[in-house]
Amino acid sequence: SQKIEQNSEALNIQEGKTATLTCNYTNYSPAYLQWYRQDPGRGPVFLLLIRENEKEKRKERLKVTFDTTLKQSLFHITASQPADSATYLCALRGSSNTGKLIFGQGTTLQVKP
Amino acid sequence: GAVVSQHPSWVICKSGTSVKIECRSLDFQATTMFWYRQFPKQSLMLMATSNEGSKATYEQGVEKDKFLINHASLTLSTLTVTSAHPEDSSFYICSASGLAGVRDTQYFGPGTRLTVL
Repeated sequence: SQKIEQNSEALNIQEGKTATLTCNYTNYSPAYLQWYRQDPGRGPVFLLLIRENEKEKRKERLKVTFDTTLKQSLFHITASQPADSATYLCALRGSSNTGKLIFGQGTTLQVKP
Repeated sequence: GAVVSQHPSWVICKSGTSVKIECRSLDFQATTMFWYRQFPKQSLMLMATSNEGSKATYEQGVEKDKFLINHASLTLSTLTVTSAHPEDSSFYICSASGLAGVRDTQYFGPGTRLTVL
């Protein structure tokens, strides 16, 4: 069955450092991979989308890589700030027109001042 | 752009009553809306997919007669939890995707916390 794995352990880093979060998947060939941020008691907020034919995408301090051979995506936040503390969700979408997303369980990032 | 709202943000009800949750896309036309449920410390679980003007498609294990979904317009979808029980207590989140510019991405509402006593 399709499986998405994100590190369930919280990631604690110091302010100013680069945070790197990992998303691995099996038994799936996604057309798109998306990253969302979720704060406690709130809905997810869309951050970045990367397509299967793209290796890397950047947006301000955020960078996403997508390796379809390794079946892995890395999500980087450079110059991290305490305000970046949240849970980050990886989501995969196939090429069908249903638009359905499959979510990982998320990794909680804690940036300490 | 791509703002999705939900109402109410929280609701407490007695067991056996029905609760309606609204999901609106405020600045784009949502051809497809999705309803998710999230239990504490767990990821989002898709309940159903609805396209404007047609019946919703429910995920395996989700009772369509218990979770009624209506997507009557390009900006509004509703989820009604009928005869709610304590085990239905959860965080319900909708998302929407639409026409050009927002086609590939789902934009989420802020969620509705349902507590059934």
